[in-house]
Amino acid sequence: NAGVTQTPKFQVLKTGQSMTLQCAQDMNHEYMSWYRQDPGMGLRLIHYSVGAGITDQGEVPNGYNVSRSTTEDFPLRLLSAAPSQTSVYFCASSLTGQLYEQYFGPGTRLTVT
Amino acid sequence: RKEVEQDPGPFNVPEGATVAFNCTYSNSASQSFFWYRQDCRKEPKLLMSVYSSGNEDGRFTAQLNRASQYISLLIRDSKLSDSATYLCVVNGRDRDDKIIFGKGTRLHILP
Repeated sequence: NAGVTQTPKFQVLKTGQSMTLQCAQDMNHEYMSWYRQDPGMGLRLIHYSVGAGITDQGEVPNGYNVSRSTTEDFPLRLLSAAPSQTSVYFCASSLTGQLYEQYFGPGTRLTVT
Repeated sequence: RKEVEQDPGPFNVPEGATVAFNCTYSNSASQSFFWYRQDCRKEPKLLMSVYSSGNEDGRFTAQLNRASQYISLLIRDSKLSDSATYLCVVNGRDRDDKIIFGKGTRLHILP
């Protein structure tokens, strides 16, 4: 099993550009989520999904969209990048949301200039 | 009260010492609790789950105090390799509840 994979590992965007961060898992996990991590702020939940076709907002959803058309994939879209979105983005999955260990991808380091 | 709170540290501890830190949570209905470890510039990884009766894994002991709504992590005989940030995670009761991470406690083990 590859676990949770994220692409790209690094990305530099200009303000106003859009892009999609990819996340995939091969563990048949129902629950997937996106976090951003900034110094001093810890992990903040952006969006999450409890299964294919179901998504919900987390703590900091503005400026981001998600969809979950398959169990395996959970892409995060930045609609119009802003410097405030410079961060490290982690995707995570677990068997179900609440009771089980979350597995994290290696992260995407995004810089918006 | 914030949903999950941790002392950010850093805790600077000599090698071989015992160190403990707590994590408080506000939702009394929380059902499951975890400690994660995050190394610098890496993703968080599960260290251990926290069970109601407390649990131990080698040099690590986790405890849950429901009455006072906190979990704790004790590290005995600390090693240089224990230097990391330790994140607590508190999950709600319902399937669709959000999973809440603490901001983490930084631990530096000094040679």
